[in-house]
Amino acid sequence: KAGVTQTPRYLIKTRGQQVTLSCSPISGHRSVSWYQQTPGQGLQFLFEYFSETQRNKGNFPGRFSGRQFSNSRSEMNVSTLELGDSALYLCASSLEGQVGEKLFFGSGTQLSVL
Amino acid sequence: KNQVEQSPQSLIILEGKNCTLQCNYTVSPFSNLRWYKQDTGRGPVSLTIMTFSENTKSNGRYTATLDADTKQSSLHITASQLSDSASYICVVRQSGYSTLTFGKGTMLLVSP
Repeated sequence: KAGVTQTPRYLIKTRGQQVTLSCSPISGHRSVSWYQQTPGQGLQFLFEYFSETQRNKGNFPGRFSGRQFSNSRSEMNVSTLELGDSALYLCASSLEGQVGEKLFFGSGTQLSVL
Repeated sequence: KNQVEQSPQSLIILEGKNCTLQCNYTVSPFSNLRWYKQDTGRGPVSLTIMTFSENTKSNGRYTATLDADTKQSSLHITASQLSDSASYICVVRQSGYSTLTFGKGTMLLVSP
């Protein structure tokens, strides 16, 4: 069974640009969540999608948005990039996103904003 | 405010030695606590999950403990191997909520 796939693996952008990251969950998983990981803050929850609907949202500005498609694949978009957005962006999937379910993480997209 | 604090921040041990990583949390009400291992350049992988009623759970050479009264958890690694070199992250879920609170991790380096 294929794991969670995130593309691209690395990305370099400049301030003010926008970026779209992609996540393909494990087959059969309907919940997809996104996280930002930085050396200073660690992992921080961005948002979670289930059946094409955003179910939960973390404390990030509106420049961070996402969506989920009918095949459970998800995309995350960051507009008007800032230097502080440089981070590893991780996507995780689970069956239903219920309490106690194990999250399966992708290898992430390393975003560098210059 | 829900917080998860991990210690030490980093640790270097010799191959074959044991070590214990600590996790203190203030998340309330508590639902469960997971320990994740994150290799460099990879996403985190779940090692164990602890619920309120569980005190100890093992996964091979990894043993997690939970004291829900003092809100502390530990991850003990026995007979360390070079492949144990990674970041270990403690994650706590609040009861009734889907969001998670992450610790900043302990970076473990196992030296030959």
